[in-house]
Amino acid sequence: QQQVKQSPQSLIVQKGGISIINCAYENTAFDYFPWYQQFPGKGPALLIAIRPDVSEKKEGRFTISFNKSAKQFSLHIMDSQPGDSATYFCAATSGGGADGLTFGKGTHLIIQP
Amino acid sequence: ETGVTQSPTHLIKTRGQQVTLRCSSQSGHNTVSWYQQALGQGPQFIFQYYREEENGRGNFPPRFSGLQFPNYSSELNVNALELDDSALYLCASSLGTRATEAFFGQGTRLTVV
Repeated sequence: QQQVKQSPQSLIVQKGGISIINCAYENTAFDYFPWYQQFPGKGPALLIAIRPDVSEKKEGRFTISFNKSAKQFSLHIMDSQPGDSATYFCAATSGGGADGLTFGKGTHLIIQP
Repeated sequence: ETGVTQSPTHLIKTRGQQVTLRCSSQSGHNTVSWYQQALGQGPQFIFQYYREEENGRGNFPPRFSGLQFPNYSSELNVNALELDDSALYLCASSLGTRATEAFFGQGTRLTVV
């Protein structure tokens, strides 16, 4: 059972455009939602994270929007650059303790120059 | 401050063999978790160690086992290797019992032939 559904699977955006990746979750116990960026041959790198008590969090060009009632959250990359080309994963974990992170299947983002 | 380091970076094993992967956690982090990432998929949680004890486990069989040492470094052991065990194995470290603010190593690419 996939508890975090991520879309789209792949995305092509022009340089300077806005990249938007969406995730939906099922487990209402989830209370921490990070986004990770992964380049080929590397481990995932933590980009930004949000907790359900806020609807939006911004760090530089990266923004998470969170809709608790819809059980959805999304990553927006403003002014997308070729260096942003990577695979992005949303994830979630619950406050129950050592449940680990549940990841989406990833979005392969390509920024065209 | 040092990041999460894993060894070896690549490994080839024969079906039925046993393998040990190693991880050094980020300085100051007392929790280590392990993930399996199949090609083109998101990481899947294997288990987590906090202060040398396993305190969480994902849906993986008992032939996946681990250890955490007093310096918070960790090992992942896999017995009776199967072809489907071929994957990138990721170690992540964090502070406290939860998977929040988890930082990943570069991974060990395991190929089972």
